[in-house]
Amino acid sequence: EAQVTQNPRYLITVTGKKLTVTCSQNMNHEYMSWYRQDPGLGLRQIYYSMNVEVTDKGDVPEGYKVSRKEKRNFPLILESPSPNQTSLYFCASSLSQGWIVSGANVLTFGAGSRLTVL
Amino acid sequence: KNEVEQSPQNLTAQEGEFITINCSYSVGISALHWLQQHPGGGIVSLFMLSSGKKKHGRLIATINIQEKHSSLHITASHPRDSAVYICAVQWHSGGYQKVTFGTGTKLQVIP
Repeated sequence: EAQVTQNPRYLITVTGKKLTVTCSQNMNHEYMSWYRQDPGLGLRQIYYSMNVEVTDKGDVPEGYKVSRKEKRNFPLILESPSPNQTSLYFCASSLSQGWIVSGANVLTFGAGSRLTVL
Repeated sequence: KNEVEQSPQNLTAQEGEFITINCSYSVGISALHWLQQHPGGGIVSLFMLSSGKKKHGRLIATINIQEKHSSLHITASHPRDSAVYICAVQWHSGGYQKVTFGTGTKLQVIP
């Protein structure tokens, strides 16, 4: 089944304890992206990657790191989490960044990871 | 920056009603997405539009590029349509594609 898999789905941690949220897709998609969703603010892009070894900042990158060493994986790293990073996080992928507009080029989302930083 | 506004923020409808959700944006775009977020949190892509109109079952999405406006219509609404509907726009900035999301429209369909 074509899907984007995120882990963990739920996590409670404490300020300063490094954590990684993994994201993996099995669709050979080039484009992958991380978003956070907060009440009243909607989804906001943290980082995105157009292909292996190519990453760039989104709208709210502060406090986060990413890497894209393999096409299928795009982990989100919080080196020193703080309470303002408490949020619902989504990973998504698509065939390409959107330069080619076609019916196949839609965003496929992971199920979400709810993170609480105490 | 592309400002995306959705209306209404909340919508309650009786089963069978025709529903319209609106999305306006401020800067020219390359594509617009309509997404559905289920009560459990999962997000599903419904449509991607760059012009005209698309239909899938009881869902119809339209876009007017000149007016920078899109609508999502649901015909013969059903309680299982209850969800948050999110508009997202893809646009160019500094040679890159950006994505900006609306804050969503929460729809509740009552039997």
